[in-house]
Amino acid sequence: DAGVIQSPRHEVTEMGQEVTLRCKPISGHNSLFWYRQTMMRGLELLIYFNNNVPIDDSGMPEDRFSAKMPNASFSTLKIQPSEPRDSAVYFCASNADGRDEKLFFGSGTQLSVL
Amino acid sequence: KNQVEQSPQSLIILEGKNCTLQCNYTVSPFSNLRWYKQDTGRGPVSLTIMTFSENTKSNGRYTATLDADTKQSSLHITASQLSDSASYICVVSLPGAGSYQLTFGKGTKLSVIP
Repeated sequence: DAGVIQSPRHEVTEMGQEVTLRCKPISGHNSLFWYRQTMMRGLELLIYFNNNVPIDDSGMPEDRFSAKMPNASFSTLKIQPSEPRDSAVYFCASNADGRDEKLFFGSGTQLSVL
Repeated sequence: KNQVEQSPQSLIILEGKNCTLQCNYTVSPFSNLRWYKQDTGRGPVSLTIMTFSENTKSNGRYTATLDADTKQSSLHITASQLSDSASYICVVSLPGAGSYQLTFGKGTKLSVIP
């Protein structure tokens, strides 16, 4: 298995532009998470999907952030319009339902908003 | 508020030496405590998991300990190697919440130098 696949690995954009981050979870995993990581705050949960349905989006910082999961093998995180304070590493993670809450993370997208 | 505090924030050691990383948590009750290793430019990868009733768990040169009375965990690395250079993140989960409600520490950045 290739693991969780994220794209792009790096994104540099200008303030005000739309940014779309993509994620392909591990096949068979029915839970998907988007996290943001910064030096100051560490890893923060943005949104959690279960069986393609958003269960909790309370971590989404503002209406500028939105996420979708149209099917079991694909999810997007969109920021529109982007701001410099959105600069961070965004991780997608997945796992299968069960008592073991071990997460499998992708390699992340390093986002820089100028 | 549930918190996980890690110390030190960063650590530099010579190759071949041992080291111990600390994790103090206020999450109570909790289900599992997990240590992740995050290489530079990669997503976190699970190293060990302990339930509240376990005292120690080993994974090769990595040994995690847990003292539920003092709410402390430690990760001991024996005979360090250059490949151990990474950030180590302590994560605590709430009972019954699975992978949904996790409290992350900000990590300890370990540098192993020759």
